[in-house]
Amino acid sequence: EVQLVESGGGLVKPGGSLRLSCAASGFTFSGVWMSWVRQPPGKGLEWVGRIKSNSIGGTSDYAAPVKGRFTISRDDSQKMVYLQMNSLKTEDTAVYYCISTFHSDSSANRWGQGVLVTVSS
Amino acid sequence: EIVLTQSPGTLSLSPGERATLSCRASQSVSNNYLAWYQQKPGQAPRLLIFGASNRATSIPDRFSGSGSGTDFTLTINRLEPEDFAVYYCQQSTTSPPTWTFGQGTKVDI
Repeated sequence: EVQLVESGGGLVKPGGSLRLSCAASGFTFSGVWMSWVRQPPGKGLEWVGRIKSNSIGGTSDYAAPVKGRFTISRDDSQKMVYLQMNSLKTEDTAVYYCISTFHSDSSANRWGQGVLVTVSS
Repeated sequence: EIVLTQSPGTLSLSPGERATLSCRASQSVSNNYLAWYQQKPGQAPRLLIFGASNRATSIPDRFSGSGSGTDFTLTINRLEPEDFAVYYCQQSTTSPPTWTFGQGTKVDI
């Protein structure tokens, strides 16, 4: 069964840090580009960033609101992708989804169940 | 950054009717990299359409996507009770690499 399972969410104070993890199973992980998308409570979807497959460099790109604060990494041996979030702000409060992409990284064909991150004092 | 505007905000229909959802881009979407997702309360989104008109795996054929350039449409023929949800369009660009989503259209009874 194809699965993406996120973990690591919770409550953190403004200025704090948190690392989200995403465990993949049921598909060939190493060649797949992975991304994170978030959704503030009651609002729409927002792309956070992506990481390419290691076979083409494994580099990452980020949305403007998180650039310089968030870092995406991957461990193909463990089939894991991570989202390191630093200098968190209240506006980062959201459900964070781990997704795998296809069709030249244009669409998300697999989604995790999401994990809630709450940034509040 | 390409902005996607979805209309209407809410579509009130009955089972068996046809739903027509619009997604308009502020600039042309390259390679027709336009996708549609369905999201039900408390669930993750699900991919319905990619590349503007290609149905994703296991998506019923009552869902269809069309359009190119700046104007795209998701059509749901013969609405089933399970189709009442929020629908998002999404586009991707390569330079700079980014995705943007529309604000969503709620299809309710």
